[in-house]
Amino acid sequence: QKEVEQNSGPLSVPEGAIASLNCTYSDRGSQSFFWYRQYSGKSPELIMSIYSNGDKEDGRFTAQLNKASQYVSLLIRDSQPSDSATYLCAVRQGAGGSYRPTFGRGTSLIVHP
Amino acid sequence: ETGVTQTPRHLVMGMTNKKSLKCEQHLGHNAMYWYKQSAKKPLELMFVYSLEERVENNSVPSRFSPECPNSSHLFLHLHTLQPEDSALYLCASSQDFGEAFFGQGTRLTVV
Repeated sequence: QKEVEQNSGPLSVPEGAIASLNCTYSDRGSQSFFWYRQYSGKSPELIMSIYSNGDKEDGRFTAQLNKASQYVSLLIRDSQPSDSATYLCAVRQGAGGSYRPTFGRGTSLIVHP
Repeated sequence: ETGVTQTPRHLVMGMTNKKSLKCEQHLGHNAMYWYKQSAKKPLELMFVYSLEERVENNSVPSRFSPECPNSSHLFLHLHTLQPEDSALYLCASSQDFGEAFFGQGTRLTVV
């Protein structure tokens, strides 16, 4: 069973702080990694994708991937109350592997004013 | 219309009813998915279609029947559902099984 693990939270941070969300995965063959944001009652929205080791930055968001340690993280700088949501980590094998991305349970983030 | 569109947004059905969920994608993608999301559970993949051919079926009960008539449309036919099937059903599409884009979802309640 290929697993994707996330701390369910909630993670509570003050407005303006850095929120750090972590995800570990069990399948060493994984090649594609995605972060989604899901507001309550809404569908998941893709925030970032990362495929190689290191950092990838997009605005206030930074995804970090370490394949040797099998974790991927998402940093949100200058957190805003509008960032309060559940963040889903998804992991997919490369070519020849499973077609599906496997999702974690998600981490609930609360940004308080 | 842009992105991935699902209809209806909400559905209440009895256990003896037959209904269908519809999904349409306007992104030119070649893969489409059905997911189920229940409270306190991770997203569960139900079906995957690539170029209108079903490529994955995750032991989903036969009371759920998918149909993919072309690369832009995906249906989920429902019959004799159980109350535990009540959930948010999400359709998604992607190109070559890459980044998946989700529709708004159908909130299904089985009574």
